[in-house]
Amino acid sequence: AQSVTQLGSHVSVSEGALVLLRCNYSSSVPPYLFWYVQYPNQGLQLLLKYTSAATLVKGINGFEAEFKKSETSFHLTKPSAHMSDAAEYFCAVSAGGTSYGKLTFGQGTILTVHP
Amino acid sequence: GAGVSQTPSNKVTEKGKYVELRCDPISGHTALYWYRQSLGQGPEFLIYFQGTGAADDSGLPNDRFFAVRPEGSVSTLKIQRTERGDSAVYLCASSVNTDYNEQFFGPGTRLTVL
Repeated sequence: AQSVTQLGSHVSVSEGALVLLRCNYSSSVPPYLFWYVQYPNQGLQLLLKYTSAATLVKGINGFEAEFKKSETSFHLTKPSAHMSDAAEYFCAVSAGGTSYGKLTFGQGTILTVHP
Repeated sequence: GAGVSQTPSNKVTEKGKYVELRCDPISGHTALYWYRQSLGQGPEFLIYFQGTGAADDSGLPNDRFFAVRPEGSVSTLKIQRTERGDSAVYLCASSVNTDYNEQFFGPGTRLTVL
C-alpha cells in the first residue's frame, strides 16, 4: 500500500523568500510521485511529476522537487516566492503495476505568501 | 480546448435520497478517475475507468456507491441512500491513458447531504 505524509498543514513565507513544502511517502514498489496545486475555486493542476528518470524534477511556475529514495522524500521548492503562489499544494504517489492510475494524496499544505 | 467539466457544481439533497453526479472528460482521453475530497483533506481515490470498464474500484466505500461509463466518455457517479457523511467535493479527472500521464481535474461537484 502507498501513503503520503505532508509535514505542515500551513506554511507562511514572505514574498521573495524560499518556499519549501515537505512530502514523505511510503511505497512497497518504486513510486511515481506528483505535486499538484489547487487555487481557490479551481481544479487541481499538475506542477510536476517524478517517473524514475532524473531525480531532480522541474515543473511549472519555477517549482522543482528532488526525489530522495534514502529519505523517502519528495520535497517541493521554489527559490523565490511570489504572491500568486498562494494556494494549497498536494503531494501524491502512484502505485504502478495494475493500479498505476490510482493516486494516493497527502492532506495538503496551504501556502500563504506575505508581501 | 475544453477541460473536464462536472455537473452540477453544487448539489444539496436530503439524507436517504439518490443522487447522480456527471463528469465530461477531455475529448479523446481514455482514462477517467473519480476522487472524493472532504473538508481539510486531500482527494481520496474512488474508482477509475480505462475505456468503458472499471479498472480499479477499490476506493468505493460501500455498495451505495456505483459509477458507470457506458460509452467510454461521459461518466456518472451514483450514490444511493445518501448519508450525511457522504457530504464532500467529488472530483473527476481524465488522462490520455493510465500510463503515468497527467490527470486533468475538473472543478468538482460539492455534495451536501442534510
